[in-house]
Amino acid sequence: GAGVSQSPSNKVTEKGKDVELRCDPISGHTALYWYRQSLGQGLEFLIYFQGNSAPDKSGLPSDRFSAERTGGSVSTLTIQRTQQEDSAVYLCASSLVPGPYEQYFGPGTRLTVT
Amino acid sequence: QKEVEQNSGPLSVPEGAIASLNCTYSDRGSQSFFWYRQYSGKSPELIMFIYSNGDKEDGRFTAQLNKASQYVSLLIRDSQPSDSATYLCAVNGSGGYQKVTFGTGTKLQVIP
Repeated sequence: GAGVSQSPSNKVTEKGKDVELRCDPISGHTALYWYRQSLGQGLEFLIYFQGNSAPDKSGLPSDRFSAERTGGSVSTLTIQRTQQEDSAVYLCASSLVPGPYEQYFGPGTRLTVT
Repeated sequence: QKEVEQNSGPLSVPEGAIASLNCTYSDRGSQSFFWYRQYSGKSPELIMFIYSNGDKEDGRFTAQLNKASQYVSLLIRDSQPSDSATYLCAVNGSGGYQKVTFGTGTKLQVIP
């Protein structure tokens, strides 16, 4: 079956612009995660959605970052007024619930802020 | 103290040898443990998971879990150059919560 898909694969934007990144999880996976990975660094948790529950936004680095998940499926991560330090690969993952919650990752969106 | 700790490496092993990758975690109530492989420029892919003390084998890979000592390890037998990648350890927290914390990864280099 189809895996996690993300779009765009690459995004170059100017500092101060807003960007939207999209994630389409594996069909039937109710849990969805967003991570950020800067060059040579580990995964930084951003936000987690599970079904209709309130999302865990504890990893969002600032109020410029927001995410939503419509209809329990597709998710959009929005970064407003982008800064150069936002440049990274943004990864989306999904998993089945209940556990053990192994996550399957999409190919990522490489964001470059110039 | 980081929640999930790994030696960043690089860990260099000759082709055909056993590679041993280790991970320690701080949350004693953690329930599920995962190993992911990440090739340079690619996204992480799940290798295996374990949630019971002891060993779990899958082909050339063996995951070992010791909850009392709070560590989990991954053994790769007959290492191949294609195993060269960064290996991420991930731990599911206590209380049945689905948030998984990742270590920063160990870079493995298999020398032909």
